[in-house]
Amino acid sequence: SQQGEEDPQALSIQEGENATMNCSYKTSINNLQWYRQNSGRGLVHLILIRSNEREKHSGRLRVTLDTSKKSSSLLITASRAADTASYFCATDWGGTYKYIFGTGTRLKVLA
Amino acid sequence: AAGVIQSPRHLIKEKRETATLKCYPIPRHDTVYWYQQGPGQDPQFLISFYEKMQSDKGSIPDRFSAQQFSDYHSELNMSSLELGDSALYFCASSPRTVRTGRAYEQYFGPGTRLTVT
Repeated sequence: SQQGEEDPQALSIQEGENATMNCSYKTSINNLQWYRQNSGRGLVHLILIRSNEREKHSGRLRVTLDTSKKSSSLLITASRAADTASYFCATDWGGTYKYIFGTGTRLKVLA
Repeated sequence: AAGVIQSPRHLIKEKRETATLKCYPIPRHDTVYWYQQGPGQDPQFLISFYEKMQSDKGSIPDRFSAQQFSDYHSELNMSSLELGDSALYFCASSPRTVRTGRAYEQYFGPGTRLTVT
């Protein structure tokens, strides 16, 4: 089964709205990372949050991590059409250097 | 800034043929990862290398092998190709600070799209 599972699997919002995506994982982790992928393209690193951190910001992105619930959320504020992409979380497997990706959330921002 | 380079970008092979994918990490990155992403799927971790030694292994078929060379570039060798091997293959690199246990970001290459016919 997947280490990381994300919900929703697909999300469609209007430009200017906020988008929230969630990720759950199973094993203990050292860090969790969020990536963006445009269709058929490479993965772009967004944010890394360490297991001892609870929240992290980068521009319009806000990531939270709750290790007690083994979950993380990615919030994109004031979304833009250019934010349309798939968003993945990735965690190190039980503290190893083997990274497991979640199933991804396909975000569509309508202009 | 230099990024991860992968070659070739596209590759078409027939069943039972072999393929070699190459990855050139960002300078001074000593850790390389390989991922496979099938159509509509999430990236699946295949294997990683640190300082030319295999570090961790994921769902890499026995038909595949990989290595990291002295210049830190890596090659993924795929033999007896099957239709199901058609996918995007990503390489990522990162620096690795073993002693401090720092977390690090992975920087992904653009991928090699392998099509097996």
